[in-house]
Amino acid sequence: AQTVTQSQPEMSVQEAETVTLSCTYDTSENNYYLFWYKQPPSRQMILVIRQEAYKQQNATENRFSVNFQKAAKSFSLKISDSQLGDTAMYFCAYSQGGSEKLVFGKGTKLTVNP
Amino acid sequence: DAMVIQNPRYQVTQFGKPVTLSCSQTLNHNVMYWYQQKSSQAPKLLFHYYDKDFNNEADTPDNFQSRRPNTSFCFLDIRSPGLGDAAMYLCATSQMRQGPNQPQHFGDGTRLSIL
Repeated sequence: AQTVTQSQPEMSVQEAETVTLSCTYDTSENNYYLFWYKQPPSRQMILVIRQEAYKQQNATENRFSVNFQKAAKSFSLKISDSQLGDTAMYFCAYSQGGSEKLVFGKGTKLTVNP
Repeated sequence: DAMVIQNPRYQVTQFGKPVTLSCSQTLNHNVMYWYQQKSSQAPKLLFHYYDKDFNNEADTPDNFQSRRPNTSFCFLDIRSPGLGDAAMYLCATSQMRQGPNQPQHFGDGTRLSIL
């Protein structure tokens, strides 16, 4: 069974600085997708970024980018120019190719300090 | 705006008293999911509907049931809530017809308390 591991339960960063959240996963599949979701306090979970495993280019969305290392099965999220609104739980998730289901990591609680 | 709407935001019920949580979507997505999320934990998938097909997770207790009368609505029924069922319940949707592994869109959740 696939597993997703987020080794940092909590992190903090100063406003305007850069922070990297770690995620590793275990799979024997070649076709899969990886996601980062953000869940702000008392607000809905939203997609931050999506990566297709067969694409070598790292996905980016504005201040958010990933470092996808397929051989190492690593999928870290970098947040540049951190803002107070980035304070949230961040979940890394895996989806086997063709599957509609997600496997979530346990999450990293990120606090951006003013 | 197209969205996933969960009602109510907060639900209080008594131990053992059946409760129903509702979810509606205006996205016209073909897959709808129900997750249970306890404090500071990852969401745990209870079951999902792929179109009309119901898919139950192996470790979902029989106490949890679901109904999807049409594309837009999905309900979570807890037949006899126990104290351990107090949690946030998240509804999500995805549109698998657009291609594989589409992102899921989540509602705000319903926080269930058991007295």
